[in-house]
Amino acid sequence: IAGITQAPTSQILAAGRRMTLRCTQDMRHNAMYWYRQDLGLGLRLIHYSNTAGTTGKGEVPDGYSVSRANTDDFPLTLASAVPSQTSVYFCASSTGGNTEAFFGQGTRLTVV
Amino acid sequence: AQSVTQLGSHVSVSEGALVLLRCNYSSSVPPYLFWYVQYPNQGLQLLLKYTTGATLVKGINGFEAEFKKSETSFHLTKPSAHMSDAAEYFCAVSERANDMRFGAGTRLTVKP
Repeated sequence: IAGITQAPTSQILAAGRRMTLRCTQDMRHNAMYWYRQDLGLGLRLIHYSNTAGTTGKGEVPDGYSVSRANTDDFPLTLASAVPSQTSVYFCASSTGGNTEAFFGQGTRLTVV
Repeated sequence: AQSVTQLGSHVSVSEGALVLLRCNYSSSVPPYLFWYVQYPNQGLQLLLKYTTGATLVKGINGFEAEFKKSETSFHLTKPSAHMSDAAEYFCAVSERANDMRFGAGTRLTVKP
């Protein structure tokens, strides 16, 4: 049982570089999410997608973009990374609405 | 706007003692409330959730939480702590679809 797979598990990235974090789910969930986790701040929603072909902005969307070409994949792109984007990124999915989310193992990103 | 406050960033208990992790929420509509647990280097797992109906919610691993509307609280309890309960715990609120807000988290330490 895979659930949600994120790649890479960790990455060190030079500031100014472009980076795409990958997320794939095999649960056929309609909704997918990207969160960042920072010490003392909990998890904050970056972007979400209710269904394939649609995306929306969360609490902290600046500097990030997403796409949802199909049900299973929801990549997160940092067009030009900055040190403040150093964080642990979690992808999640749910059946939609106010239902519980299922999380991936996370990607630890360090921007230097 | 919805928000969550977790009282105490770090709680330490002895093995066998009561676990009490505090969560207060703010929501303009009847909320959906969740508790998640995060073990080191892993994603979040759902412990329990409150949607409607019974205000005392039982979850996995012996945890339970009580929704108290008058106090806007959703505290998490477990009668007897086990060493394996040591983890980070997050309270979350969702008052509309695809917008789950998390608290800052409480790290639980269990002493032998």
